[in-house]
Amino acid sequence: GESVGLHLPTLSVQEGDNSIINCAYSNSASDYFIWYKQESGKGPQFIIDIRSNMDKRQGQRVTVLLNKTVKHLSLQIAATQPGDSAVYFCAENITGRRALTFGSGTRLQVQP
Amino acid sequence: EPEVTQTPSHQVTQMGQEVILRCVPISNHLYFYWYRQILGQKVEFLVSFYNNEISEKSEIFDDQFSVERPDGSNFTLKIRSTKLEDSAMYFCASSGSSIKVFFGEGSRLTVL
Repeated sequence: GESVGLHLPTLSVQEGDNSIINCAYSNSASDYFIWYKQESGKGPQFIIDIRSNMDKRQGQRVTVLLNKTVKHLSLQIAATQPGDSAVYFCAENITGRRALTFGSGTRLQVQP
Repeated sequence: EPEVTQTPSHQVTQMGQEVILRCVPISNHLYFYWYRQILGQKVEFLVSFYNNEISEKSEIFDDQFSVERPDGSNFTLKIRSTKLEDSAMYFCASSGSSIKVFFGEGSRLTVL
């Protein structure tokens, strides 16, 4: 559903731990997904993407998992660092359309 | 690394005034976008632009909004008569033929 207002779910982790950020997407027709990182006062920064014909994709220190059955996406960050502190958004897209639909975001706080 | 650049970084305007936000997309990209983010909320799609015309727009993108590519490098968003609720961060973005979208740092619009 819609998330309105200033409150964001927050994940607080210790430096060096692994982080898992979850996202429930809304449209079963969506077939392309992106994770973005947004630091305070900046634009969304591309992290990793995945198409619906895959259920896992790995990047540098990040892994995205896709479960189409329950419309769930997760972002795993290995060995979380203070520089990973930001708000993380998942975004979904349907092939043939150009619009990305963003989720409501999760704030990641990394404790030194 | 190529990036999307936006100006101004912050604009303050009076209600009813016209505002133009400017963007220079990544040079070899084909699709250009505007998104907005009201403080504390999710990023919302406004419009996509391809081959010198709007290819897709959201319900937010009403007659008060217009986009233009006045030359080979700039992409602009005009708000004809600003309202208080237009106060937000406006992000320009661009992509190549894929939907892998790269965002600028944003222009903060404050309507008084």
